[in-house]
Amino acid sequence: DTGVSQNPRHKITKRGQNVTFRCDPISEHNRLYWYRQTLGQGPEFLTYFQNEAQLEKSRLLSDRFSAERPKGSFSTLEIQRTEQGDSAMYLCASSPGTFTSDTQYFGPGTRLTVL
Amino acid sequence: DAKTTQPNSMESNEEEPVHLPCNHSTISGTDYIHWYRQLPSQGPEYVIHGLTSNVNNRMASLAIAEDRKSSTLILHRATLRDAAVYYCILRDGSGAGSYQLTFGKGTKLSVIP
Repeated sequence: DTGVSQNPRHKITKRGQNVTFRCDPISEHNRLYWYRQTLGQGPEFLTYFQNEAQLEKSRLLSDRFSAERPKGSFSTLEIQRTEQGDSAMYLCASSPGTFTSDTQYFGPGTRLTVL
Repeated sequence: DAKTTQPNSMESNEEEPVHLPCNHSTISGTDYIHWYRQLPSQGPEYVIHGLTSNVNNRMASLAIAEDRKSSTLILHRATLRDAAVYYCILRDGSGAGSYQLTFGKGTKLSVIP
């Protein structure tokens, strides 16, 4: 399968702990995106990478959140000092980078539960 | 990206056509109309997109009003696997817009066997 993969698929943690999620995009896709989705809502944009450069960040991305994409391949999203409000599905997507509005391909997501 | 309006939910019988409406009265000339869907417990997936003319692909058809202020996603024969939340999203194709997708709440489609 050459789609977007995310690990882990599920994560349960206690409030105050740090967590890190990984996203492996489709090979040769230049753009990578992170979204967050809470129950009953559509996904909300968090941040976007063009190769290794983080070019856009939402105001939702507080200083407890950090994302990296070293070498322009896989990406990690870290949440420090987790809070119960961080409980959500974290989705990663990638796109070829041909057009501004090119198709985004999503992974299955990582479901985070903060106790 | 401009805003869209969709019904919260719709029902369809299996093997019948489904027409999912979307209103986008503030659409600009460079906005493309994109549709994504999200099956239960999965990430969203691309369905179809268009600018002015009607579009067809293996998954669905997209009918765009002449004034572009509304569009309709058409599933020609609904199956149980089409039960999902369908999102209508406007994307600026001018090169000046944001790269993010702005999702609303979408339309939850239920398919009755």
